Amino acid sequence: DAKTTQPPSMDCAEGRAANLPCNHSTISGNEYVYWYRQIHSQGPQYIIHGLKNNETNEMASLIITEDRKSSTLILPHATLRDTAVYYCIVFGGTGTASKLTFGTGTRLQVTL
Amino acid sequence: DTAVSQTPKYLVTQMGNDKSIKCEQNLGHDTMYWYKQDSKKFLKIMFSYNNKELIINETVPNRFSPKSPDKAHLNLHINSLELGDSAVYFCASSQGWTGSDEQFFGPGTRLTVL
Repeated sequence: DAKTTQPPSMDCAEGRAANLPCNHSTISGNEYVYWYRQIHSQGPQYIIHGLKNNETNEMASLIITEDRKSSTLILPHATLRDTAVYYCIVFGGTGTASKLTFGTGTRLQVTL
Repeated sequence: DTAVSQTPKYLVTQMGNDKSIKCEQNLGHDTMYWYKQDSKKFLKIMFSYNNKELIINETVPNRFSPKSPDKAHLNLHINSLELGDSAVYFCASSQGWTGSDEQFFGPGTRLTVL
């Protein structure tokens, strides 16, 4: 069962920042927050992950609240190619606990 | 230079047949996975192998049997195919199997059982 809550859909104008929220109030200390996206029917694509500090890479930024109960994925300048379903996943531990559990995600629609 | 590749991309077959899907990764990763995405788009893990050993086996019918001949390959064999097996199957790999290891997914194999 997914341990995260995301809005089902969001819209964003091209060129603007897309801020995708995620709640993960039951996250435990050794669990990371991961973001993946799936464009149409392609394989999920890794975007970014973090434990407690904010992270940034060439694709996006991840802002994690101090209590780690929620986070926001930021796409700084959304383009039409960023239209996809975005999954926020809490993932951690080892062995049988170490598995990605995808929820329903947020469908981001980037428009002109 | 595809990182995670799957063959075939599409597979159409009759009920009761046996079929295999192949997966290969050239990333030098130690861990590989199979996921199933059904018609409602829910993506669920089926199996995970680390260094050719099974480490995750979700509640999957035993008609599904993964085979890992080496670290770079994880094939999925399905016996006695049923209509409900129709889905998109994704292979993935990661360096390790901890929370800090991101997974890289293949392009998927769309299986249709008639």
